[in-house]
Amino acid sequence: DAGVIQSPRHEVTEMGQEVTLRCKPISGHNSLFWYRQTMMRGLELLIYFNNNVPIDDSGMPEDRFSAKMPNASFSTLKIQPSEPRDSAVYFCASSSPGLAITGELFFGEGSRLTVL
Amino acid sequence: KNEVEQSPQNLTAQEGEFITINCSYSVGISALHWLQQHPGGGIVSLFMLSSGKKKHGRLIATINIQEKHSSLHITASHPRDSAVYICAVSTLSNTGNQFYFGTGTSLTVIP
Repeated sequence: DAGVIQSPRHEVTEMGQEVTLRCKPISGHNSLFWYRQTMMRGLELLIYFNNNVPIDDSGMPEDRFSAKMPNASFSTLKIQPSEPRDSAVYFCASSSPGLAITGELFFGEGSRLTVL
Repeated sequence: KNEVEQSPQNLTAQEGEFITINCSYSVGISALHWLQQHPGGGIVSLFMLSSGKKKHGRLIATINIQEKHSSLHITASHPRDSAVYICAVSTLSNTGNQFYFGTGTSLTVIP
């Protein structure tokens, strides 16, 4: 298995631009998590999905952030408009089996976002 | 208050030393996870445990459910062990798994 795949690995954009980060979870995993990591705050959960349904989005900073999971193999995290304070590494992680028992958490390699 | 507390925040050791990183948590958990993040790198899972002890090479993870405490030990430390070690706990609700993370312990092993 290729693991959790994120794209892009690096993105530099200007303030006000739209940013879309993508994630492909491990096949068969039915829980997907989006995290943001900064030096100041460490890892923060933004949102997580179970069986493609958003369960908890209380970590989403504000309305500029949105996430979708149209099917079991793909999720996006969108920031519109982006601001310099959004600069961080965004991690996607997936886990299985979900509702039955706790599964091991697998992370993608992260998308490093720099907003100028 | 953080659900997961780690100590120490930073740790510097000489090559060959025995290292211990501690993790305490305040919520009921399904499992505890130790993760490793190398500088500029991704995050990998080292251990997932819900009781007792697990060993993988020079790494040992223990958990005491009653005391809500876990330790990660590294024997015969090596410079390549230099990384951030993150403790995380998972809880299970009727909507699925939720994970809480410690802020990490930055380990530097000097040759």
